[in-house]
Amino acid sequence: RKEVEQDPGPFNVPEGATVAFNCTYSNSASQSFFWYRQDCRKEPKLLMSVYSSGNEDGRFTAQLNRASQYISLLIRDSKLSDSATYLCVVFAGGGNTGKLIFGQGTTLQVKP
Amino acid sequence: ETGVTQTPRHLVMGMTNKKSLKCEQHLGHNAMYWYKQSAKKPLELMFVYNFKEQTENNSVPSRFSPECPNSSHLFLHLHTLQPEDSALYLCASSHFGQGRWNEQFFGPGTRLTVL
Repeated sequence: RKEVEQDPGPFNVPEGATVAFNCTYSNSASQSFFWYRQDCRKEPKLLMSVYSSGNEDGRFTAQLNRASQYISLLIRDSKLSDSATYLCVVFAGGGNTGKLIFGQGTTLQVKP
Repeated sequence: ETGVTQTPRHLVMGMTNKKSLKCEQHLGHNAMYWYKQSAKKPLELMFVYNFKEQTENNSVPSRFSPECPNSSHLFLHLHTLQPEDSALYLCASSHFGQGRWNEQFFGPGTRLTVL
């Protein structure tokens, strides 16, 4: 089983749609969670951090379910500029030995 | 310059060449990272430096040699690489020891092609 698992997609949605991505992780001791956005041939950029049960920032909502070990990202009112790959990232470990584990990413294409 | 910078942005090298990748962070962070991103694969952590000390070597072949002279600079020295080492090499930095220390910020990457 992969440490962080995502549906690679692609998710093709019209502008204005609401779309949700799920991500599951295998390490129950994982402490914090992130969603990064990566545009084609660019570096990942931090979109949201999730330290408790969830986080909301404008059109984006992230939710964490520790019991089921999954994280979701909801995008409302999709824009063309939301087209990108969304990376689910899990931090595991402690002290100076913790590290980020990246999922493969979910590709979103927003169509006019 | 702001954020995390990397040079060169593109590199083509033969298997017998020696080259170095450079990363510099201007965020006042004290931890730096090298990642490898191959096509269709998740980012793979290669090395971690906290306060200039290497704290993680993720079973990386010795043909990759990191160097961290201070908390703002990180190098990746390359020698006798293989074609399968062709990938995007990303540098990242973060604060270590504070509440949100595991939020990492990435440089633009070096796209490496090994012939």
